[in-house]
Amino acid sequence: EAQVTQNPRYLITVTGKKLTVTCSQNMNHEYMSWYRQDPGLGLRQIYYSMNVEVTDKGDVPEGYKVSRKEKRNFPLILESPSPNQTSLYFCASSPGQGDFWTEAFFGQGTRLTVV
Amino acid sequence: AQTVTQSQPEMSVQEAETVTLSCTYDTSENNYYLFWYKQPPSRQMILVIRQEAYKQQNATENRFSVNFQKAAKSFSLKISDSQLGDTAMYFCAFMKLQGGSEKLVFGKGTKLTVNP
Repeated sequence: EAQVTQNPRYLITVTGKKLTVTCSQNMNHEYMSWYRQDPGLGLRQIYYSMNVEVTDKGDVPEGYKVSRKEKRNFPLILESPSPNQTSLYFCASSPGQGDFWTEAFFGQGTRLTVV
Repeated sequence: AQTVTQSQPEMSVQEAETVTLSCTYDTSENNYYLFWYKQPPSRQMILVIRQEAYKQQNATENRFSVNFQKAAKSFSLKISDSQLGDTAMYFCAFMKLQGGSEKLVFGKGTKLTVNP
């Protein structure tokens, strides 16, 4: 089954404690990205990756890091989480640009609470 | 930069009736996609319908259809014969076709409640 898998689904952590949210896709997609969803703001892109070892900032990258060492994985790293990073996070993947693009496939979401 | 505006934070409709959700966007691009995503309480993001800007014909998917007005930069979603399972948050989204960044730009969402 084609899917994007995020882990964990729920996470409560304390300020300053490094954490990683994993994202894996089994569709051989080139493009992967991370979004955060906040009430009244919709979804905003944090980082994206067009292929292995190619990553770039989205609209709200402050406080986050990513890596793309393998095509299927795109982890989101919060090195020193703060309460304003409490949010719902989505990983998404898509096949590529232009004519190959069909839709973005989203993971199940990770509800992160930083206390 | 592109922006997407959903002017209705919340809407409600009676089961079996028709409801229309509004979306406007701002862009200088000529080639792009528009989408409606549904987010039920499970939080999963589900693609409802998509429209390529170069296509004049409005997209339809079963009970879901859009009214795409390119000149007016308007992209509304019509849900016919509303069902209880349509209760969800609905997001309108924009993506430009070229440029390397396949970023989806989302509106703030419309919370739709279908009443029995």
